[in-house]
Formats: sequence, structure tokens, C-alpha cells
Amino acid sequence: GAVVSQHPSRVICKSGTSVKIECRSLDFQATTMFWYRQFPKQSLMLMATSNEGSKATYEQGVEKDKFLINHASLTLSTLTVTSAHPEDSSFYICSARDRQGWAYEQYFGPGTRLTVT
Amino acid sequence: GDSVTQMEGPVTLSEEAFLTINCTYTATGYPSLFWYVQYPGEGLQLLLKATKADDKGSNKGFEATYRKETTSFHLEKGSVQVSDSAVYFCALSFLTGGYNKLIFGAGTRLAVHP
Repeated sequence: GAVVSQHPSRVICKSGTSVKIECRSLDFQATTMFWYRQFPKQSLMLMATSNEGSKATYEQGVEKDKFLINHASLTLSTLTVTSAHPEDSSFYICSARDRQGWAYEQYFGPGTRLTVT
Repeated sequence: GDSVTQMEGPVTLSEEAFLTINCTYTATGYPSLFWYVQYPGEGLQLLLKATKADDKGSNKGFEATYRKETTSFHLEKGSVQVSDSAVYFCALSFLTGGYNKLIFGAGTRLAVHP
């Protein structure tokens, strides 16, 4: 089956620093990747949608200058949390759509736990 | 706006018990409906789907029927196993720009004991 990886799985950073999270589709090409944020005991909230080679589309209320998304290739998208603060601590999940798959099918990564101290 | 509401967990069952996890939705138009499952340490996986009213999605012994009249998509399984222990997410989507934009419920944790 289609596999999506995320790196790192856990990261702890100090307030004011930036951290980059990678999302890779391992065995398929992904024209579209999605970034979600999940708070404890809450649902996944879509943050942004990234299309290979173009700018990401951010959901309402998500600061695009704070959450920088780059989708430079058909297998890699990155989320950079800039000038992180404790309130950015969360579980970040990416998903990817197979360019040759069904429009409804998204394959999810295992998530990255970010803790800002 | 569009939203999904599912029953709070955790749900604790003995092996071979009957499972129901309720899911209702609010949406303009006619969305597609999904159940995703997240096993410990893994990413969400699509469990089953239904794309129109009265469709029944089924997989691995789980099933759910798209009920437009009650705006529901309840997940059921006749006999759960310990290996079904996971978090289950109900979701809806509309096709937007050629891809599927998902809106998730809060998730329901299921724990099955031997």
C-alpha cells in the first residue's frame, strides 16, 4: 500500500526557534499534500493544502508566515514552524494524494509531535 | 459550516462484543462520508467510505450506511477483536479543485479486552 513518512516523529525546540517537519510519499507521486494539526482529544484540523510547484493554500485563521509550506517535489513537502512558541506545541500530521489514485484517497503519515519549551 | 460529530470515547468492550460508534454530520450539499482508523504509532488509514445516500461501506467486518434522512454514518461491527483497538475517525468531504478536502470528527478510542 501507499506509504507516507514524516520526520522527525518527535521534536522539542526552544521558544523563538524554527523547526522543519518533512513529509514524504515513499512509493507514489503526490501532486497534492495536506497538513493537519491535532490537539489532544480533538479532531484533525486542516491547516493548508500544498500542490507541487505552486504556493500552498492556507485555511482561514492559519498564519502563512508562521507555518511555511514548501512542496518542491512530487514526493516531498515540508512544514516549517517559524519563531515557535509554546502554543504551537501540537501533533502535526501530513497526508498525500496519489496523482494516479482516486480523488478522495489520502494517505496519512504517522504524525510529528512538536513540543516548544 | 460543515462539521462532524462522533460519540466520545473511550469505548471499552470485551472481545466478540458488538460495536457501534455513532457519527452524525452537518453539511450543505451531499458530501462523501468516511471512516478512518489510526492504530497506535501509525498514520490514519481509510477503513471504509460511502459516496451517496443509502450506500453501505464495508471492510474488515466493519460497515456503515450513509443515511441522508438522519445525517448519520454510524460504524458497526458484529464481533470485535483485540486487534481492533484503535482510534476511529468519522469524516466528510467534498471534492474541491480535483481533490478531497476532509473534515474530521474528534475521534473515538476503542479498547477491546480479551
